Amino acid sequence: GDSVTQMEGPVTLSEEAFLTINCTYTATGYPSLFWYVQYPGEGLQLLLKATKADDKGSNKGFEATYRKETTSFHLEKGSVQVSDSAVYFCALSDSNNDMRFGAGTRLTVKP
Amino acid sequence: SAVISQKPSRDICQRGTSLTIQCQVDSQVTMMFWYRQQPGQSLTLIATANQGSEATYESGFVIDKFPISRPNLTFSTLTVSNMSPEDSSIYLCSVSPGQGRYTFGSGTRLTVV
Repeated sequence: GDSVTQMEGPVTLSEEAFLTINCTYTATGYPSLFWYVQYPGEGLQLLLKATKADDKGSNKGFEATYRKETTSFHLEKGSVQVSDSAVYFCALSDSNNDMRFGAGTRLTVKP
Repeated sequence: SAVISQKPSRDICQRGTSLTIQCQVDSQVTMMFWYRQQPGQSLTLIATANQGSEATYESGFVIDKFPISRPNLTFSTLTVSNMSPEDSSIYLCSVSPGQGRYTFGSGTRLTVV
């Protein structure tokens, strides 16, 4: 079945460092792809999404490009802040509109 | 986008009892989903609940343990039955109004003692 594999954490960076969290997917159709963020003590929030190949989702300085040829949707940010410390989940929406989530990557940004 | 009110936000329950979690949506949606997030784990889909039909359960989840109601297009409940400490998790509902959009409830943090 459809699935998502994302980079294992935890990831610890210094403020203003460059962030990449890798995400690859397996799907039989043409899924929509998402990044969700879960801040400490809070629920899930949609960070960005892309619905077709070559789409780039962006929000709050984060970007991810839907790469069909490499079945990837890597999350990037050029300069992280302490407030970006959270758990990030890569996800896809399959042909049944069910969401499949990656394992989550915990990011800690130190001042 | 749809707004979901999920309650309770947290509960501490005795083993062997049951807890019903409610999700109310501010608009009519066909598809509702229930997820579980065990401590330190990712989210796992429990079941899909469409109004007017039986819920569809994922592998490893059964109706006797997690009965779901979907009486109309704006409301659903998930019951965690005969609870054990292993059921301690965050439970979330989610809706898909369509066009690739998804909204999640704020979650119910369940602790079974």
